[in-house]
Amino acid sequence: EVQLLESGGGLVQPGGSLRLSCVASGFTFSNYWMSWVRQAPGKGLEWVANIRQDETEKYYVDSVKGRFTISRDNSMNSLYLQMDSLRVEDTAVYYCVRGARDSRYAFFDYWGQGTPVTVSS
Amino acid sequence: DIVMTQSPDSLAVSLGERATINCKSSQSLFYSSNNANYLTWYQQKPGHPPKVLIYWASTRESGVPDRFSGSGSGTDFTLTISSLQAEDVAVYYCQQYYSIPLTFGGGTRVEI
Repeated sequence: EVQLLESGGGLVQPGGSLRLSCVASGFTFSNYWMSWVRQAPGKGLEWVANIRQDETEKYYVDSVKGRFTISRDNSMNSLYLQMDSLRVEDTAVYYCVRGARDSRYAFFDYWGQGTPVTVSS
Repeated sequence: DIVMTQSPDSLAVSLGERATINCKSSQSLFYSSNNANYLTWYQQKPGHPPKVLIYWASTRESGVPDRFSGSGSGTDFTLTISSLQAEDVAVYYCQQYYSIPLTFGGGTRVEI
């Protein structure tokens, strides 16, 4: 059974940092593109970033470029999102998701339960 | 960026009746080299992450009931629930995977 388990969310002040983690199981993690998708309270879905299997390609939505960094450790079956210079508008539930295609152009066939991030003073 | 616009924002449908959700993209999602539309539909129930229903605009994900169907091409797409069941109460999202950034529609809430 495919499982994605996020952790690392919490309350942080504007300008602060957080590192989200996602541990994958039930599939060969190193074979898949992975992404982070977020959902602000009561709002819709927003793709944040994705990463190729070997980390040679990474893509970001404009609103987080230069502030967030996606990475992975295939030996640990883990995906990460380093979030710096956090803003109030980054408040959301962050989902770790698996790409359903071997491409940066993918939909998402498995989702974690999400980890909440609140940016507030 | 490709903008995805869903309509309506919400709809109320009687049990057993048809529900139709529309999704319009700001540019074509059809890729002629593989004759495919890069469009997916998700269902999200309260307190749960989204679940993929349809991909390539009309291919039903394994395990999804056949009352769910997707249609359309280019810039205009539709998700149809042919006979609404109580368990179909949810928010439905379309998503394009034709270009980066990957983008979602704003969602359509379906109620009884």
